[in-house]
Amino acid sequence: QVQLQESGPGLVKASETLSLTCSVSGGSISSYYWNWIRQPPGKGLEWIGYVIYSGSASYNPSVKSRVTISVDTSKNQFSLKLSSVTAADSAVYLCARHSDYYAPFDYWGQGALVTVSS
Amino acid sequence: DIQLTQSPSFLSASVGDRVTITCRASQGIRSYLAWYQQKPGKAPKLLIYGASTLQSGVPSRFSGSGSGAEFTLTISSLQPEDFATYYCQQLNDYPRTFGQGTKVEI
Repeated sequence: QVQLQESGPGLVKASETLSLTCSVSGGSISSYYWNWIRQPPGKGLEWIGYVIYSGSASYNPSVKSRVTISVDTSKNQFSLKLSSVTAADSAVYLCARHSDYYAPFDYWGQGALVTVSS
Repeated sequence: DIQLTQSPSFLSASVGDRVTITCRASQGIRSYLAWYQQKPGKAPKLLIYGASTLQSGVPSRFSGSGSGAEFTLTISSLQPEDFATYYCQQLNDYPRTFGQGTKVEI
């Protein structure tokens, strides 16, 4: 059974960089798309972007200038970096997997709450 | 970006009720739509993809229909464990987008 687990600091200062890692167990990180999604408290879901095992990535234009998603196949992990954060970036950050271009997100991590402080 | 609008945003229902949630897309997305269920403090759970294909392990009381720009999620007989928030997601184009959610309450 594939499992995803987010990890990283729960508190980030405004204007700094948010960094999170998603560890994948129970399966290889190869041959899939690996996503980051965020959900502000009490609000809906926003897709941030994905990376595939080759390192190729795609980002939401809403955050494209500030985001980098990378993959480390040797550790079966992928990571999110979001720079110049503001209070609007405070959210639960979730990682998820999908298998091809039109596929849904079939496995999700439990989510990690990140709060941006001033 | 493709906008998804769900209706209603809130739904009050009882155990045993038939419940229908609608998701409308701002442009045609063929059948590339998924539905998720989310409970408080938990990750979304995939229910349906391809507009009408039930994910393995999901009870048959859940069904989906539609194509193009209008889709529905139906729960044929609401169970206590179905009280949650439901989201649609379009899989036709990037960026992937979600509906604003429908909260199903007792």
